[in-house]
Amino acid sequence: EDKVVQSPLSLVVHEGDTVTLNCSYEVTNFRSLLWYKQEKKAPTFLFMLTSSGIEKKSGRLSSILDKKELFSILNITATQTGDSAVYLCAVEAAGNKLTFGGGTRVLVKP
Amino acid sequence: NAGVTQTPKFRVLKTGQSMTLLCAQDMNHEYMYWYRQDPGMGLRLIHYSVGEGTTAKGEVPDGYNVSRLKKQNFLLGLESAAPSQTSVYFCASSYWGGEGNQPQHFGDGTRLSIL
Repeated sequence: EDKVVQSPLSLVVHEGDTVTLNCSYEVTNFRSLLWYKQEKKAPTFLFMLTSSGIEKKSGRLSSILDKKELFSILNITATQTGDSAVYLCAVEAAGNKLTFGGGTRVLVKP
Repeated sequence: NAGVTQTPKFRVLKTGQSMTLLCAQDMNHEYMYWYRQDPGMGLRLIHYSVGEGTTAKGEVPDGYNVSRLKKQNFLLGLESAAPSQTSVYFCASSYWGGEGNQPQHFGDGTRLSIL
């Protein structure tokens, strides 16, 4: 059975802090790992990672994948209150299906 | 473009009632998915479809049925609602980009309560 575990479950930081979110996985026939941000409604796509060691960046957010150790991290630097959300990690295996982790809830205080 | 649209947004049912949730996408995507999201459990796949006229079971299919009669629509049915089906339901769609499946786009969700 495919499994995705995210840590920590939640964290509280202050504006300007750096946040590191973790995602570990065990899946058969790995294709890609995705990160989503979920505020009040629909999850919105952040990154898709398919290759080890190649960092993807978008503004203050970055992510990297380690296919040998089966994990990924999502970094948010210089956090802002608008970064408050639940961050979801998902892994795509063969068959076009995603398995999601339980999410990490991030609260950024002013 | 509206993207992925789910109707209704909210619904309260009594145990034993039936209902259908509608998902419509205007992006010409081949693949469509239904998930449920419960507190602290992320999203779990109920059923999915890789094309018009095809459906397949996901991780938690019991108590649900689906149909994909048109490419743009994916319907999720509850034949006899149970309190355990109280959840937020999300629909998503995606397409094959040549080298791999592209990221799924999600609708805003349907909050369903079963009393």
